[in-house]
Amino acid sequence: SQQGEEDPQALSIQEGENATMNCSYKTSINNLQWYRQNSGRGLVHLILIRSNEREKHSGRLRVTLDTSKKSSSLLITASRAADTASYFCATDDRMDSSYKLIFGSGTRLLVRP
Amino acid sequence: GAVVSQHPSWVICKSGTSVKIECRSLDFQATTMFWYRQFPKQSLMLMATSNEGSKATYEQGVEKDKFLINHASLTLSTLTVTSAHPEDSSFYICSARDVTSGRSNEQFFGPGTRLTVL
Repeated sequence: SQQGEEDPQALSIQEGENATMNCSYKTSINNLQWYRQNSGRGLVHLILIRSNEREKHSGRLRVTLDTSKKSSSLLITASRAADTASYFCATDDRMDSSYKLIFGSGTRLLVRP
Repeated sequence: GAVVSQHPSWVICKSGTSVKIECRSLDFQATTMFWYRQFPKQSLMLMATSNEGSKATYEQGVEKDKFLINHASLTLSTLTVTSAHPEDSSFYICSARDVTSGRSNEQFFGPGTRLTVL
């Protein structure tokens, strides 16, 4: 399967704590993106990091990328109950001109109030 | 900007019938659209890449005769699930690339269509 792996599969934390999710992928990439999905809903784009970038911030989100290890992490600081959702990383394939995205297996985050 | 819609948002049908799902880019042109399927508590699996004016490219294991894709215009792609069976029940999500701006690296996702086959 081309699908990437994410860990943990599920994460339960207390409101105010930080949440860290990890993603590993298999191909050379142009970009890696993180998405959020609330239960039964569509995807919300969170952040895009390019292959020549190592770290990117957006509000309470911090993303790192290590292309040598083919891995990325998403850190959500000062979590809120509203952050409860599933989080997916998605990568393209530098050798594939179609720009299709391959999604990781996802992390289900529960933030307890 | 960069809004993608899907219609219907949910559909229930009898086994053996065909169901058509529409994916529209509302405020941009999309030469390429993608169709994904998502089973409960699982990730999105790419089914096919839909190219305007040409045949779709299907991922390995996806039956092209069962999942018919048509991309007749720069703003509309349709997915028809033919002779649907209960195992086809799933959440179907489309996405589109905006190739007319500097956002060609991004895909914009529709809200999804939940298909239930009885």
